[in-house]
Amino acid sequence: AQSVTQPDIHITVSEGASLELRCNYSYGATPYLFWYVQSPGQGLQLLLKYFSGDTLVQGIKGFEAEFKRSQSSFNLRKPSVHWSDAAEYFCAVGALDGNKLVFGAGTILRVKS
Amino acid sequence: EAGVAQSPRYKIIEKRQSVAFWCNPISGHATLYWYQQILGQGPKLLIQFQNNGVVDDSQLPKDRFSAERLKGVDSTLKIQPAKLEDSAVYLCASSLILSRRWSTYNEQFFGPGTRLTVL
Repeated sequence: AQSVTQPDIHITVSEGASLELRCNYSYGATPYLFWYVQSPGQGLQLLLKYFSGDTLVQGIKGFEAEFKRSQSSFNLRKPSVHWSDAAEYFCAVGALDGNKLVFGAGTILRVKS
Repeated sequence: EAGVAQSPRYKIIEKRQSVAFWCNPISGHATLYWYQQILGQGPKLLIQFQNNGVVDDSQLPKDRFSAERLKGVDSTLKIQPAKLEDSAVYLCASSLILSRRWSTYNEQFFGPGTRLTVL
């Protein structure tokens, strides 16, 4: 069965610093991978997705993610974090059928000024 | 374009009581999903509709949870009777149409959720 691991429950970075959020997946075939962001009181918003092709994926709000098959990873990065990026971030993998998403437990990002 | 609407936003009930959540998807979206998000965990799919038919309810605790989408638009999720472990945020999402192939994936758009506290 598909599964997603986000090793970091909380991460704190300084405003302007770079960010990397880790995601590891377990999947038997070519994975379909997603990153979502959830701000307090808000629904999940799709940041980016990887289906195939270029392993470096660009998303909204200046985020990017790199797919590394050899490491079963899909880490999210941002070169310079803004205070408004403070939120919870979820990595997800698409299940085989029905467009079902299997989510990781999330990483809470805190931004200090 | 209006997003996915959910109500109520917050609900506090005693255990063994009943509760219902309502979701109005984005206009024209045929597929509707209900997720349960327990504190400290990622969202877990409970049930998936295509129009007014159930596509997948394999993770819905059917002894106490029920959901319907009678006219293929709005949906209601009910818990009866509630248990302490049902405390969670219940998220509704919709997408244009269900696709069995990821190559034709349609993005799921999420509502703000209903936070349920069972005392």
